[in-house]
Amino acid sequence: GENVEQHPSTLSVQEGDSAVIKCTYSDSASNYFPWYKQELGKRPQLIIDIRSNVGEKKDQRIAVTLNKTAKHFSLHITETQPEDSAVYFCAARVNRDDKIIFGKGTRLHILP
Amino acid sequence: DAGVTQSPTHLIKTRGQHVTLRCSPISGHKSVSWYQQVLGQGPQFIFQYYEKEERGRGNFPDRFSARQFPNYSSELNVNALLLGDSALYLCASSLRPPHEQYFGPGTRLTVT
Repeated sequence: GENVEQHPSTLSVQEGDSAVIKCTYSDSASNYFPWYKQELGKRPQLIIDIRSNVGEKKDQRIAVTLNKTAKHFSLHITETQPEDSAVYFCAARVNRDDKIIFGKGTRLHILP
Repeated sequence: DAGVTQSPTHLIKTRGQHVTLRCSPISGHKSVSWYQQVLGQGPQFIFQYYEKEERGRGNFPDRFSARQFPNYSSELNVNALLLGDSALYLCASSLRPPHEQYFGPGTRLTVT
């Protein structure tokens, strides 16, 4: 069945440095890839997304890249700040049934 | 504009009981999806409804059912509760599939 693998499970970076989270998906019919940020005790918040007809998308300090051939997509956060500390989830959607499959999450720690 | 709302916030039930969780989507959104999030994991897709019809179903037993009402609000029902059903149940709404999904705050269900 459909599967989304996410790495690493935990990531610690120095404040101001960049963070990269990588995901792979199994279903080649996947065509929409959202990223969510979840702070402790709060709801997942959509931070950026990319569709399969686009290779890269950027929004201020956040960027997402997609390699359809390799079925890889990645989240890049530059100039990290303390408020970036959270759990980040990648996800993939297959259009035929609108099901969104989430990765297991990456706990990002921004070190002072 | 109010975001996605869910009720109740917390719920404690005993094994074998049933539970009904409620979700109101963002105004104008016609699609509602339900997810189960176990501690330390990513959300797992349970159902999606659009225009009162089921559009997608995840790998959950028949004890789980849902419906969507004419005002686009939705209910998730779980019968014969098991200890393993303890989780955060998230509702997400979107204008229509396939569009960005926005999550509610969730209902924390504890089964004892």
